[in-house]
Amino acid sequence: GESVGLHLPTLSVQEGDNSIINCAYSNSASDYFIWYKQESGKGPQFIIDIRSNMDKRQGQRVTVLLNKTVKHLSLQIAATQPGDSAVYFCAERLRGSARQLTFGSGTQLTVLP
Amino acid sequence: DTGVSQDPRHKITKRGQNVTFRCDPISEHNRLYWYRQTLGQGPEFLTYFQNEAQLEKSRLLSDRFSAERPKGSFSTLEIQRTEQGDSAMYLCASSQGVAYGYTFGSGTRLTVV
Repeated sequence: GESVGLHLPTLSVQEGDNSIINCAYSNSASDYFIWYKQESGKGPQFIIDIRSNMDKRQGQRVTVLLNKTVKHLSLQIAATQPGDSAVYFCAERLRGSARQLTFGSGTQLTVLP
Repeated sequence: DTGVSQDPRHKITKRGQNVTFRCDPISEHNRLYWYRQTLGQGPEFLTYFQNEAQLEKSRLLSDRFSAERPKGSFSTLEIQRTEQGDSAMYLCASSQGVAYGYTFGSGTRLTVV
């Protein structure tokens, strides 16, 4: 029979508030991390990245924090807007020749009017 | 448009049929990746090309799947004898060398009926 999609963690915020989305990554040897935004029916869209030798990086309205001690990544979105509603994924890049990305479970962000 | 292009956007096929998808990466990118994404999940790595050489394949890539990148530019992903479990979004991404940044296409949504 048809499989049921897994229930994504969800976060609902009021328009104008700040959002914090968390992610636990798996491999302590990963050297690079990216946050992607994915809207329904579309491919992942790059938001911000951070290398493993950094703890924090800021972009326009977004900040990524990396805590390598506990293998935790967070994405902060300032002044959240309706257009920010989407699923957000963190991805880690594994060391090795392929250097492919491994994605975490996503978080559905809903911005309330 | 200088992004990653994928064709077709949607494909509905009967179980047992063969399907082929195409990916045109960003022209100067020498690395090309195929991912599969099912409902409620993050993308999962399938295979990777550096120029025309297929250098790594995931265990997810069964013998019914084959990918090519004949001239080191566009790539094709073929699925033979499709099964209902193959229904998913197939995503292509490209990057340049070991530089930071992976650009995804919009994906091909496959439905096997």
